[in-house]
Amino acid sequence: QVQLQESGPGLVKPSETLSLTCTVSGGSISSAGYYWSWIRQHPEKGLEWIGYIYHSGNTYSNPSLKSRLTLSVDTSKNQFSLKLSSVTAADTAVYYCAREDSGAWYLDHWGQGTLVTVSS
Amino acid sequence: QSALTQPASVSGSPGQSITISCTGTSSDVGGHHNHVSWYQQHPGKAPKLIIYDVSSRPSGASNRFSGSKSGNTASLTISRLQAEDEAHYYCVSYTTTNTHVVFGGGTKLTVL
Repeated sequence: QVQLQESGPGLVKPSETLSLTCTVSGGSISSAGYYWSWIRQHPEKGLEWIGYIYHSGNTYSNPSLKSRLTLSVDTSKNQFSLKLSSVTAADTAVYYCAREDSGAWYLDHWGQGTLVTVSS
Repeated sequence: QSALTQPASVSGSPGQSITISCTGTSSDVGGHHNHVSWYQQHPGKAPKLIIYDVSSRPSGASNRFSGSKSGNTASLTISRLQAEDEAHYYCVSYTTTNTHVVFGGGTKLTVL
């Protein structure tokens, strides 16, 4: 059973860079047919797709975040990562990593989520 | 404002059936594909896939969940409501726009 686990600081100062890593277990991040995605959920709000990365390193990002977003993958560690620069309070959210079927675009495995608060 | 429109809340009594709608456009839900999925989210938990490809259930999902699509609207039906079904439900669709996928705003289901 594939499992995903987010890790990273829970508190980030405004204007700094938010960095999160997702560790995948129970399966290989290099498996064909899957994107590795990030989704966030603002407090008491709905879900927002951030972006995804393929094991080859190809990425696709939400245009609203693209200028501040860096996605990377480390297949040797079975991990993928997110960096969001110049954060503001509007970036405060629960961040989820998830596995996405690349042919049918559904998210079948999710991490438990991690709350990141942007505050001085 | 979410790209897909869902009712903010629905309610039903145990044993009843409810339907949650998810309305989009011809660029997403109404497009020539079946890539609509539904997720259940209990408070403090991650979303859980319950329907994919409009009407398919993943292994482990209850057969009380069913999905359909007509035109620009997808629907999730939950039959024989149980207390454990009380949660938020989100639809997601593939989109031909540059956001890859679009989410609904979510629907809170209350089991009376």
